[in-house]
Amino acid sequence: AQSVTQPDIHITVSEGASLELRCNYSYGATPYLFWYVQSPGQGLQLLLKYFSGDTLVQGIKGFEAEFKRSQSSFNLRKPSVHWSDAAEYFCAVGVLPTSGTYKYIFGTGTRLKVLA
Amino acid sequence: DSGVTQTPKHLITATGQRVTLRCSPRSGDLSVYWYQQSLDQGLQFLIQYYNGEERAKGNILERFSAQQFPDLHSELNLSSLELGDSALYFCASSVGDHPGSYEQYFGPGTRLTVT
Repeated sequence: AQSVTQPDIHITVSEGASLELRCNYSYGATPYLFWYVQSPGQGLQLLLKYFSGDTLVQGIKGFEAEFKRSQSSFNLRKPSVHWSDAAEYFCAVGVLPTSGTYKYIFGTGTRLKVLA
Repeated sequence: DSGVTQTPKHLITATGQRVTLRCSPRSGDLSVYWYQQSLDQGLQFLIQYYNGEERAKGNILERFSAQQFPDLHSELNLSSLELGDSALYFCASSVGDHPGSYEQYFGPGTRLTVT
């Protein structure tokens, strides 16, 4: 079955440090890949997405993600974290099963804490 | 502000009851998506409507149903409510019908508490 794994439930980094959030998926083909951010008490906001082409994708707020087919991964990175980046981050995949309609599957999220 | 509105913000009801959550998409968006976010289940995609028709279905229970009206607003109906239905319900909208091709804009959510 299709699935999305975010192995890190919590991550703490110091302001100014680099960040990498991991995401692995299980699917027979290349899915549509997304990263969302959810600030406390807010809805989700799309950071970036990958469909095809260049495997390094640039997003908003200085984030980027790299699709690695061989590792079934789509890790999110930021070179220098700001205190305002503290939030929960969700990786999601869009898959089209051989039977049924399009499905959108979210990972369990990674909560980022930023130390001043 | 994403432009997506959801009402009510909070809802408290008892087990066995039925509630209706309402969503108004951004102006010009034809697709509406519903999601459930709970502590034990995480964030789950429930269902998508595009221009009044069901387009994609996720982990939506049979006790739940949704529809999209001609003015493009959508309602999510939850019936025979159980304690486990307590969650934050999000609505999102997008311009097109393919959820992978178009950015989804999320509303602020409706927090449902079942007692």
